[in-house]
Amino acid sequence: DAKTTQPNSMESNEEEPVHLPCNHSTISGTDYIHWYRQLPSQGPEYVIHGLTSNVNNRMASLAIAEDRKSSTLILHRATLRDAAVYYCILRRSQGNLIFGKGTKLSVKP
Amino acid sequence: ETGVTQTPRHLVMGMTNKKSLKCEQHLGHNAMYWYKQSAKKPLELMFVYSLEERVENNSVPSRFSPECPNSSHLFLHLHTLQPEDSALYLCASSQDYRIQETQYFGPGTRLLVL
Repeated sequence: DAKTTQPNSMESNEEEPVHLPCNHSTISGTDYIHWYRQLPSQGPEYVIHGLTSNVNNRMASLAIAEDRKSSTLILHRATLRDAAVYYCILRRSQGNLIFGKGTKLSVKP
Repeated sequence: ETGVTQTPRHLVMGMTNKKSLKCEQHLGHNAMYWYKQSAKKPLELMFVYSLEERVENNSVPSRFSPECPNSSHLFLHLHTLQPEDSALYLCASSQDYRIQETQYFGPGTRLLVL
């Protein structure tokens, strides 16, 4: 499975946008980009996923580079509840979720 | 509330004990998963069941024994565990296996082996 690289940690201020980067230079044409997050003392939860085009949902936006070698998860207005570990995962069309270490996001009031 | 429940939420057991973890999903899904999350390590996929049949077993020691009696329930039977098996055990489900389906996770069982 192709590998992703994320910063270990990031900080944000409450009610400001957050851009969480992910590099995946070895991505293949059939890899989907998935984002999950894990709040403290909880299991992971799905955030968003995409293949080539940018995606929006009620939780976040996913911006995918034109060459697909990187992507950015955008939280438009961070809240304290968004403090979590965010995982960027490449998933083959018939593949399992392979979690890395993720980015720990801290949100300051 | 994800629709996936796990019991117990916390468990302490000795190395000679036998215990079971239970997972139940109320989503009508066909696939269920067990993951292990050790301190400072990424989540590791342990087992996958699709329509009550085991489809993946990722080199997990035999002291972990899964059981899927129906598509809504998944168990992980534990016996003669080691202290290094202490971890958060997470159950997940998805509509189908091997398709780009969202996985829904339970809150996990925090296991401590003494």
